[in-house]
Amino acid sequence: AQSVTQPDIHITVSEGASLELRCNYSYGATPYLFWYVQSPGQGLQLLLKYFSGDTLVQGIKGFEAEFKRSQSSFNLRKPSVHWSDAAEYFCAVNTNAGKSTFGDGTTLTVKP
Amino acid sequence: DTGVSQDPRHKITKRGQNVTFRCDPISEHNRLYWYRQTLGQGPEFLTYFQNEAQLEKSRLLSDRFSAERPKGSFSTLEIQRTEQGDSAMYLCASSQGRDRDYEQYFGPGTRLTVT
Repeated sequence: AQSVTQPDIHITVSEGASLELRCNYSYGATPYLFWYVQSPGQGLQLLLKYFSGDTLVQGIKGFEAEFKRSQSSFNLRKPSVHWSDAAEYFCAVNTNAGKSTFGDGTTLTVKP
Repeated sequence: DTGVSQDPRHKITKRGQNVTFRCDPISEHNRLYWYRQTLGQGPEFLTYFQNEAQLEKSRLLSDRFSAERPKGSFSTLEIQRTEQGDSAMYLCASSQGRDRDYEQYFGPGTRLTVT
């Protein structure tokens, strides 16, 4: 069975600082990987996805993520965080049946 | 394209009552998914449909839960005899379900509170 681990429950960064959110997955086949962002009381918005090809993928809002098969990781990065990036971030792996397995999320707080 | 919509957005009910939620997917999407999200957790898969066929159900989906997608368009999720442990956000998502397109588009969710 597939699983996703987000080791950091809560991260605080200063506005303008760089950000990296960690994600490790366990899945037997080629993974389809996603990062979502969720604001309080809202649904999930897709930031970026990896299906195949270039292991560095670009997403919306200036986010990027790098797939590293050897480390079973798909870490999310942003070079300069804005106050509006404060939210909860979820990593997910998708099976060939289409359903997604999510990590428990990382809450990002941005200090002014 | 108005995205995935869910109704109601919030529901407060007393323990033992039945509730029904509706999800309208993006019109050309033939796959529809239901997830449940509790506080501090990521969404957990409940069930999904390919057109009107329910193809998979999670063990989380007890016999008090039933989902339908009668015409392959909108879907309903019913919870009978609600319990306090059912309090959660119920999320619906849809995807094209072909050409290996696994990108799911999520609705805003229905927040259920069981008192």
